This record gives sequence, structure tokens and C-alpha cells, in this order.
Amino acid sequence: GENVEQHPSTLSVQEGDSAVIKCTYSDSASNYFPWYKQELGKRPQLIIDIRSNVGEKKDQRIAVTLNKTAKHFSLHITETQPEDSAVYFCAASRSGTASKLTFGTGTRLQVTL
Amino acid sequence: DTGVSQNPRHKITKRGQNVTFRCDPISEHNRLYWYRQTLGQGPEFLTYFQNEAQLEKSRLLSDRFSAERPKGSFSTLEIQRTEQGDSAMYLCASSIWTVSKETQYFGPGTRLLVL
Repeated sequence: GENVEQHPSTLSVQEGDSAVIKCTYSDSASNYFPWYKQELGKRPQLIIDIRSNVGEKKDQRIAVTLNKTAKHFSLHITETQPEDSAVYFCAASRSGTASKLTFGTGTRLQVTL
Repeated sequence: DTGVSQNPRHKITKRGQNVTFRCDPISEHNRLYWYRQTLGQGPEFLTYFQNEAQLEKSRLLSDRFSAERPKGSFSTLEIQRTEQGDSAMYLCASSIWTVSKETQYFGPGTRLLVL
């Protein structure tokens, strides 16, 4: 089955700096890669996703890149703000068939003033 | 609120008791997923339904676990003879599935503590 590894497990940045979280996956058939943000005690919320037919997607301060050959994808947050502090999870699935999500272990992002 | 809802939000039970959780998906969503999340980990897939059909179950889902989605609307997850290792957050997600596109939206979860 699919295995997703996520690094780093914790990340501390100063407000205004950029943050990068990296994930690798094992199943070459995976073709859908969402990122979820989870604040303490709250539900995971989708912040951005990418499908395997594109290499990069951007939404305001958030971007995701995908390297299918290397089987890794990354989340980039620019101009970080204190409200970006949360746990971020990457995930992978075979959209259209076995669409269950396999999640990474999460990255706790702390944005300091 | 038109999001995914789950009840109860918290459940404390004694080892050996049975518990049942309910998930109400977003209206018109044809797929419903159950995940389990333990502290410091990402959600782990348990099972999912397309309409009323249960299409896949994880090996994590022992015989003590059963899920239903009668009429393809809400779903229930029952755990029989609970064990301390069952303590976790149980998350439900729903989606509109098409062959080319699907986005899963999560509910707030039910936190289970087995004493």
C-alpha cells in the first residue's frame, strides 16, 4: 500500500518568513495530493491540492509543487502570519479508483512574532 | 451549518462497553469515509461508502468495528467491546466523487476515551 513520509515534524519560523514542508510517497499510481491544516481540537481543513497532471499550483501565499519522477511534493507558505500556526498534513491517493487518503505524520508549524 | 457533522463530539466509556458514533455528510455527497487519528499522527483510513455500499475496509478495522450507511445518507460506526487502544479521534469525511475529481471534507470528529 501507499506510504507517505513528511518532514520536518516541527518547524518554527519568524513572521514574514517562508515555510517549506516536504513529503514523499511510495505508490507511483497515486495521482492526487492534498494538504490539510489542522488547528488544535479542530477538523482538518483542505488548504490546497494538486493532481498529477500539473507540476505546481498556487493560491495566494500558498503553493504546492509536485515531482512525479522523484515521488515528492512540497508545500510552500510565503509571508507567514501567526494564524498560519497549526499542524499541516500532506496526503496521497489514487483519485478515481482507490481514493482513500494516506496521510503523512504531520508538521507542527509555529510562526513567532 | 452545511458542513460534515459528527455526534457525539466526545465519548468516555469503560473498557468492554459498546459505543456508536454518527456522521452526517454534506448533502448530496455520495462518498463517506471514516478515519481514525491518534495523538501526534495523521488520520488513518478505516472504511468508506459510495452511497450505501461499503467499498473498502482497512485491516485496522477489526471484527469489533462495524459501519453502516443505510439509504446512502448518514453513517454510523460502532465499536463493540471497546479496548483502551481504541482511544482516538474518529473522523468522518464526505465527498462528491467523480472519476476525475474528488475533494474530501472532514467533520469535527468524535473523541473517544476508553477507561
